[in-house]
Amino acid sequence: QVHLQESGPGLVKPSETLSLTCTVSVYSISSGLYWGWIRQPPGKGLEWIGSINHSGTTYYNPSLKSRVTISVDTSKNQFSMKLNSATAADTAVYYCASAGSNPLGAANWGQGTLVTVSS
Amino acid sequence: EVVLTQSPGTLSLSPGERATLSCRASQSVGSDYLAWHQQKPGQAPRLLIYGAYRRVTGIPDRFSGSGSGTDFTLTISRLEPEDFAVYYCHHYETSPATFGQGTKVEIK
Repeated sequence: QVHLQESGPGLVKPSETLSLTCTVSVYSISSGLYWGWIRQPPGKGLEWIGSINHSGTTYYNPSLKSRVTISVDTSKNQFSMKLNSATAADTAVYYCASAGSNPLGAANWGQGTLVTVSS
Repeated sequence: EVVLTQSPGTLSLSPGERATLSCRASQSVGSDYLAWHQQKPGQAPRLLIYGAYRRVTGIPDRFSGSGSGTDFTLTISRLEPEDFAVYYCHHYETSPATFGQGTKVEIK
């Protein structure tokens, strides 16, 4: 089964860029499937951020589209997310997930990483 | 954007009882595009059901999904201790994908 692991800073200052990477193992990111990001503010529900495939085709949540960029590095079997102009409202556990053939899906989840936006 | 409303917010039941969780969509959703995820405290969500009723390999058959259009249901036929968790429905037909706010199944 595909394994996903998020990595990145746990603390980001307001107005700075939140950057995370997801390393995929047991499965090639070039397989043709989609890979996505989902977040969960503490004590709250899930919000889909966006997804990407191996060729760089992206889908974004319109609510975040102006601030988010998702990219892929097939040589490292990784995909990444950058969220600009971070605010306290972006404090959340960020999950990467394999989306399957549907760019909006979520089949296998990483363990998640908490990112706090605070000065 | 499709808004998913789950009910009830909390379900208090005893082990062995039947749990029925509802997910209502603000507009019709293709049955191929409705999933259910389980989340235990401190853990990542886990996909249980996709395509409204298709169980993921390894998920016990006490979990079943049903419904179409705007009304979907997750049923747990006999609750086991490990089933007490939060359950989210998830629509993935049109962008943006959206999740319901969750139903917490707690021990009575």
